[in-house]
Amino acid sequence: NAGVMQNPRHLVRRRGQEARLRCSPMKGHSHVYWYRQLPEEGLKFMVYLQKENIIDESGMPKERFSAEFPKEGPSILRIQQVVRGDSAAYFCASSNISGSRSEQFFGPGTRLTVL
Amino acid sequence: SQQGEEDPQALSIQEGENATMNCSYKTSINNLQWYRQNSGRGLVHLILIRSNEREKHSGRLRVTLDTSKKSSSLLITASRAADTASYFCATRGGNTPLVFGKGTRLSVIA
Repeated sequence: NAGVMQNPRHLVRRRGQEARLRCSPMKGHSHVYWYRQLPEEGLKFMVYLQKENIIDESGMPKERFSAEFPKEGPSILRIQQVVRGDSAAYFCASSNISGSRSEQFFGPGTRLTVL
Repeated sequence: SQQGEEDPQALSIQEGENATMNCSYKTSINNLQWYRQNSGRGLVHLILIRSNEREKHSGRLRVTLDTSKKSSSLLITASRAADTASYFCATRGGNTPLVFGKGTRLSVIA
């Protein structure tokens, strides 16, 4: 049973370009979470999605960032017009149930570098 | 903020010694979880302790939770070089998202 898959593992973009990060949850998991980690920091929650629905986007910047989890295919975190401050590691996690008892399984992350 | 804060920020010990890391948080929680992150990798879930539990064991790991002090500790006994990693606590209240602390960087020297 494959774990959470993320790609690409490393992504380099120039300022103003778009970054697309993909996350395939574990088989059977319908809940996806995106986190951002700056160097020497812990993970910061960005958004929580179920299939075709955004449940909680309270941690996601209102501008330039969007996320989706379509009925078919991976979850996508999209960052438009990237700036240097977007450079970070972006982690995706999935779970099979929601709520406080669910364990989240993390992917290996995508390291975004904005030049 | 519900954010957990780990203490110390960095810890260096000899192989075979015990390592203790602490976590404090600010609001009421449903559970507290500890994760490990090896350099440049994703997070690995270590252990979850619920708010009505006081202590939990898993192999060489021992976690305590004191809800009156809003604190938790993670003890790794008989440490190994392979335990070198960053350790994060994360708290959860109701259906709120996991809130992570900044982590403790543990170095185990062979």
